[in-house]
Amino acid sequence: EAQVTQNPRYLITVTGKKLTVTCSQNMNHEYMSWYRQDPGLGLRQIYYSMNVEVTDKGDVPEGYKVSRKEKRNFPLILESPSPNQTSLYFCASSFLDRNTEAFFGQGTRLTVV
Amino acid sequence: GENVEQHPSTLSVQEGDSAVIKCTYSDSASNYFPWYKQELGKRPQLIIDIRSNVGEKKDQRIAVTLNKTAKHFSLHITETQPEDSAVYFCAATRNTGTASKLTFGTGTRLQVTL
Repeated sequence: EAQVTQNPRYLITVTGKKLTVTCSQNMNHEYMSWYRQDPGLGLRQIYYSMNVEVTDKGDVPEGYKVSRKEKRNFPLILESPSPNQTSLYFCASSFLDRNTEAFFGQGTRLTVV
Repeated sequence: GENVEQHPSTLSVQEGDSAVIKCTYSDSASNYFPWYKQELGKRPQLIIDIRSNVGEKKDQRIAVTLNKTAKHFSLHITETQPEDSAVYFCAATRNTGTASKLTFGTGTRLQVTL
């Protein structure tokens, strides 16, 4: 089954404690990205990757890091989380060279206290 | 970069009525316009999309129209049902083969009442 898998689904953490949200896809997609969803602001792109070892900033990259060492995995790293990073996070993947559907993960609800 | 505006932010219709959600985009080179539906607590999922070489596309009760000159596109849902209640996002992208970034609108919360 084609899917994008994120973990964990829910996470409560304290300010400053490093955390990683994992994302994995099994569709051989080149393009992967991370979004955060906040009320009234829609889905805003944090970082994206066009292929292995190729990553770039999206619209709201401050406070986040990513890596793309393998095609299927695209983890999101918060080195020192702050309360303003409390949000719902989605990973998504798609093919790069054609206009086709972006598949989303199940979402990770992060609370930073 | 691309900017997508979406209206209205909330929409309430009676079951059986039609619903229309409108989006405008800023980048005239954008060539792909998908619509995503997000049910409560779920991930966004594609419901319909349209490419820049087409003016209208239909799939059962949903349709999307695109006006490239005016740079706006709309989602039309006819004969609405309670299961249509969700948040709908429009998006625009310019896929060049070496770059592809989806820019989303801020979402429309559709409530279908009985």
